[in-house]
Amino acid sequence: RKEVEQDPGPFNVPEGATVAFNCTYSNSASQSFFWYRQDCRKEPKLLMSVYSSGNEDGRFTAQLNRASQYISLLIRDSKLSDSATYLCVVKSSGYSSASKIIFGSGTRLSIRP
Amino acid sequence: DTAVSQTPKYLVTQMGNDKSIKCEQNLGHDTMYWYKQDSKKFLKIMFSYNNKELIINETVPNRFSPKSPDKAHLNLHINSLELGDSAVYFCASSPTSYEQFFGPGTRLTVL
Repeated sequence: RKEVEQDPGPFNVPEGATVAFNCTYSNSASQSFFWYRQDCRKEPKLLMSVYSSGNEDGRFTAQLNRASQYISLLIRDSKLSDSATYLCVVKSSGYSSASKIIFGSGTRLSIRP
Repeated sequence: DTAVSQTPKYLVTQMGNDKSIKCEQNLGHDTMYWYKQDSKKFLKIMFSYNNKELIINETVPNRFSPKSPDKAHLNLHINSLELGDSAVYFCASSPTSYEQFFGPGTRLTVL
């Protein structure tokens, strides 16, 4: 089993739709969770951190389920500009620079007009 | 102002050559990283470097060696390049172990 797994997609949804991705992780000691966004031929950029209580940033909502070891990202009212690859990131420790950082392989999202 | 910069952006070279990729950050971060993203888009950490502490990913061949002349720079030197080294290499920096700021990437092609 991979340490961090994501559905590679692609998810092809119409503008205005709601779309959700999940990401599962295998290390129960994982402490920090993030969603990054990567546009084609560009570098990854932080979209949002994922907190235990769940968090929302505009149209984006992130959730963490420690019992089932997954995180999710929900995008509401999707825009054409949301088309990108979404990377799940899991870290095994919250503070150490030597903590293990694992990126998921990414979920590709394509929004159609 | 560019926060994390890398040079060159593209690098095409022959098998067996030695090459370097440079990375600089002007964010004052203590931690810098090198990542490799292969053709399947897997992004894997190669090294992290924090205040002169180098953390080596054991899966990285010893042909790869990071060099940090100072806190703002972390260069990547690759000896005896192989076809399988072709990938996009990203440098990143971080103020803590949270958000990482990535450079624009260096696309390495080994012929």
